[in-house]
Amino acid sequence: EDKVVQSPLSLVVHEGDTVTLNCSYEVTNFRSLLWYKQEKKAPTFLFMLTSSGIEKKSGRLSSILDKKELFSILNITATQTGDSAVYLCAVEAGGSQGNLIFGKGTKLSVKP
Amino acid sequence: DAGVTQSPTHLIKTRGQHVTLRCSPISGHKSVSWYQQVLGQGPQFIFQYYEKEERGRGNFPDRFSARQFPNYSSELNVNALLLGDSALYLCASSLGGTIYFGEGSWLTVV
Repeated sequence: EDKVVQSPLSLVVHEGDTVTLNCSYEVTNFRSLLWYKQEKKAPTFLFMLTSSGIEKKSGRLSSILDKKELFSILNITATQTGDSAVYLCAVEAGGSQGNLIFGKGTKLSVKP
Repeated sequence: DAGVTQSPTHLIKTRGQHVTLRCSPISGHKSVSWYQQVLGQGPQFIFQYYEKEERGRGNFPDRFSARQFPNYSSELNVNALLLGDSALYLCASSLGGTIYFGEGSWLTVV
């Protein structure tokens, strides 16, 4: 059965800290891995990763994929209170685009 | 450009009733997917439609159905509602890889 596992499930840090969120997966016919940030409602797209070893970066956020070891990490440097959210990892697998398998998410709380 | 739009944003239904949720994808996106997210969990895949054809179905009972219209908008229908159907229902559209989500429809079944 396809599965995506995120760790930790929750994390409390102070402003300025650096955090690393983990995502491991076991799926058939891997297509891509996506990271989303969810605050209240809609998951907001962060990154899509398809190739191993190529870091994607956006401001203080970065992510990388290891297709050999079947995991990805999301790094956030110099955290701010506005980074508080649930971070979701999802893997697109199988023959049809749009079928995402999500992990349970990591709830990040950034304290001032 | 408008993102993925969903309606209604919130609704309350009684057990046994029927509900229809609507979604308009981003302009030009031909693929629409539906997800159910219960509190504390990641979204779970329900359906995916592309060019009006069902391309994927998750592990949900037959009470759940969907369709896609010629303008690529979509409806999700749930019959004989149960308390356990209370959740955030998310619609996503995609074109060429990146998948974008709408704000969701909060369904409460009482």
